[in-house]
Amino acid sequence: GENVEQHPSTLSVQEGDSAVIKCTYSDSASNYFPWYKQELGKGPQLIIDIRSNVGEKKDQRIAVTLNKTAKHFSLHITETQPEDSAVYFCAATAGKSTFGDGTTLTVKP
Amino acid sequence: GAGVSQSPRYKVAKRGQDVALRCDPISGHVSLFWYQQALGQGPEFLTYFQNEAQLDKSGLPSDRFFAERPEGSVSTLKIQRTQQEDSAVYLCASSLGGGNPNTGELFFGEGSRLTVL
Repeated sequence: GENVEQHPSTLSVQEGDSAVIKCTYSDSASNYFPWYKQELGKGPQLIIDIRSNVGEKKDQRIAVTLNKTAKHFSLHITETQPEDSAVYFCAATAGKSTFGDGTTLTVKP
Repeated sequence: GAGVSQSPRYKVAKRGQDVALRCDPISGHVSLFWYQQALGQGPEFLTYFQNEAQLDKSGLPSDRFFAERPEGSVSTLKIQRTQQEDSAVYLCASSLGGGNPNTGELFFGEGSRLTVL
């Protein structure tokens, strides 16, 4: 089955800096790669996604890149704000979504 | 509300008790997923329904876990003879489309936190 590894597990940045989270996956059949943000006591919420026929996608301060050959994808958040503090999960989808173990992002004011 | 609703939000069970967790998906969503999330980890897949059909139950940890969606809407996850290792947050998610593979956005509920003493 699919295996997703996510790094780093924790990330602390100053407000205004950029944050990068990286994931690798194992199943070449995966063709949909969403990123979710989870706040304490809530369910994950989709923030951006990318499909396998696209290499990069951007939405305001958030961007995702995908390298299908290397089987890795990354989340980039620019101009971070304290409200960006949360746990972020990547996922790779081949029939069902397999999630990484999450990155706890802390943005210090 | 228009989101995915789960109940109960919190459940404490004594070891050996049976529990039932309910999920009300977004109206009209074809696909429904159950995930288990242990503390500090990502959600792990349990089972998937397309309408009333359970198409994948490969993630259910044992035969003590059972899920149903009899009318293609509300779903129930049942855990029999609960054990301490069943303690986790159980997340339900729905998606508008079906298809295999499912490449639609998952809308998650807030989860049911199960604690087995």
